[in-house]
Amino acid sequence: QKEVEQDPGPLSVPEGAIVSLNCTYSNSAFQYFMWYRQYSRKGPELLMYTYSSGNKEDGRFTAQVDKSSKYISLFIRDSQPSDSATYLCAMSAEVTGRRALTFGSGTRLQVQP
Amino acid sequence: DSGVTQTPKHLITATGQRVTLRCSPRSGDLSVYWYQQSLDQGLQFLIQYYNGEERAKGNILERFSAQQFPDLHSELNLSSLELGDSALYFCASSVGHFNEQFFGPGTRLTVL
Repeated sequence: QKEVEQDPGPLSVPEGAIVSLNCTYSNSAFQYFMWYRQYSRKGPELLMYTYSSGNKEDGRFTAQVDKSSKYISLFIRDSQPSDSATYLCAMSAEVTGRRALTFGSGTRLQVQP
Repeated sequence: DSGVTQTPKHLITATGQRVTLRCSPRSGDLSVYWYQQSLDQGLQFLIQYYNGEERAKGNILERFSAQQFPDLHSELNLSSLELGDSALYFCASSVGHFNEQFFGPGTRLTVL
């Protein structure tokens, strides 16, 4: 079983829809949670960074962390065709000096105009 | 643009050969990370350097090695290349012990 599970999709939605992307994890030591967006053949781009449980909002993006359920989500409001990409969740544990990220496999999102 | 640069963008080579991938971190970032992305394995952590010292190792093969130089740029050396080493190789950097890692554009390695 992988440490981080993510539905690979693809997820197809109409423009303007609310998108919900999710990851579950098994390592209770994970404390730092990130969402990256990756366009085809490009480097991952950091979207959201959260520490521990709670919500964080940035423009059309909202990240949620529920440590008790080992579940994180990314919501995209008013989705645009330019949001079409692969979304990767990533997380790391509090280990002194070590900040390597463990990634989910990514969810491919297609926003239809 | 994340501020992390990687060269070359593409690399095509033959089995058994050796290649070097280069990464320059964002200005001020002391930590450099190398990741491999393949279709079947996803993004996998290889190795981390902090201010010139190796800090952590992940799923890095013995045929692979890396170093970080005094000017903080890093190189990933891949030797005795096999077909299965074909992948995208990403470098990321962060400030000290913060967790926000910024990724470069990657080097696409094709081993024929």
